[in-house]
Amino acid sequence: ILNVEQSPQSLHVQEGDSTNFTCSFPSSNFYALHWYRWETAKSPEALFVMTLNGDEKKKGRISATLNTKEGYSYLYIKGSQPEDSATYLCAFFSDNNNDMRFGAGTRLTVKP
Amino acid sequence: DSGVTQTPKHLITATGQRVTLRCSPRSGDLSVYWYQQSLDQGLQFLIQYYNGEERAKGNILERFSAQQFPDLHSELNLSSLELGDSALYFCASSVSGKKGNTIYFGEGSWLTVV
Repeated sequence: ILNVEQSPQSLHVQEGDSTNFTCSFPSSNFYALHWYRWETAKSPEALFVMTLNGDEKKKGRISATLNTKEGYSYLYIKGSQPEDSATYLCAFFSDNNNDMRFGAGTRLTVKP
Repeated sequence: DSGVTQTPKHLITATGQRVTLRCSPRSGDLSVYWYQQSLDQGLQFLIQYYNGEERAKGNILERFSAQQFPDLHSELNLSSLELGDSALYFCASSVSGKKGNTIYFGEGSWLTVV
């Protein structure tokens, strides 16, 4: 069983705060890690696809890093805004099958 | 709007019945994925197709089946429905179905079994 863990489960921050959360995954047989942003009543929106150890990706105020040797990825949001409120999901692909395993997500609430 | 279209958006049916969920991928995408999101579990991968052929299978029950047609749309068939099958079913698509491809999700089909 491929366990993908995300922490924290939920997070409440004030507008303007910077925040980060973690996705942990098996360090063996890594192929790719995907990050998604999922707003209530909408579909998950792809943020990043990360495949290389040491990868850093950025999209506006959101960035992510990847450490495949120790099996974790961090997602950072700089200067959080209320519109950043959403659940952030990570999903892991192993290199020995095509199964995609999702974490349970981190639910972020940004208060104005 | 991701470009992935799912119908119906909502469906209520009785236990023991059979339903079909339909998905049209983004224009140009050859691979389709199905996922289930139920209240007590996270997002679960069910099955993936690429250009009409099954590519990967996840936690899909034997009562469920899917196919991808020559025009690349896909259907997920759920039969002998049970209360526990009530969930949000997502379809997603990607260009070539490779693990490094970005995957685009539809808005989902809400299934309620009563």
